Amino acid sequence: AQSVTQLGSHVSVSEGALVLLRCNYSSSVPPYLFWYVQYPNQGLQLLLKYTSAATLVKGINDFEAEFKKSETSFHLTKPSAHMSDAAEYFCAGAYGSGNTGKLIFGQGTTLQVKP
Amino acid sequence: DAGVIQSPRHEVTEMGQEVTLRCKPISGHNSLFWYRQTMMRGLELLIYFNNNVPIDDSGMPEDRFSAKMPNASFSTLKIQPSEPRDSAVYFCASSLTSGRAKGYEQYFGPGTRLTVT
Repeated sequence: AQSVTQLGSHVSVSEGALVLLRCNYSSSVPPYLFWYVQYPNQGLQLLLKYTSAATLVKGINDFEAEFKKSETSFHLTKPSAHMSDAAEYFCAGAYGSGNTGKLIFGQGTTLQVKP
Repeated sequence: DAGVIQSPRHEVTEMGQEVTLRCKPISGHNSLFWYRQTMMRGLELLIYFNNNVPIDDSGMPEDRFSAKMPNASFSTLKIQPSEPRDSAVYFCASSLTSGRAKGYEQYFGPGTRLTVT
């Protein structure tokens, strides 16, 4: 079955440190892949998406993600964490031709940023 | 564009009452999704529509839940009768999944926080 797995439900970093949130997908055919962020009491907001045009994808707020087919991974990184990055992050994938739009979401990772 | 619009933003109701949540998708989008989010169960897909047709309602928890999309610019999610365990945040999202501009990314509304007492 198609799935998206996020390793680590909680990640804690210090302000200014590297942020690394892990995501793996299951499929021999790379899907469209996305990262979303959810700030407290808000809806999910698109951070970035992969569509096969480039393996390194840049998103908003200095986040980026690298698609690695050999590792079936799409990890999210940011060089220097800011307090305002504290939120929940979701990885998601859209699979298959003729896809009517359903996304498979990971379980989410809560990012805590310590001062 | 105004983005996905949901109403009401907050709803408090008593057990047994009917609740109707409303969603206006982004103009031009052809797919619409209803999600529920709770601390215990996380983000769950309830139902989604493509070109106003329900495609998959396997996530609808019970017959008390129903959803309609009478036209491309409006959808409702109804709970009748409501129960305390229905308390959650309900999100609507839309995406473009056909044509040259398709991208599959979903745009989420701000959500409706439902409390059933």
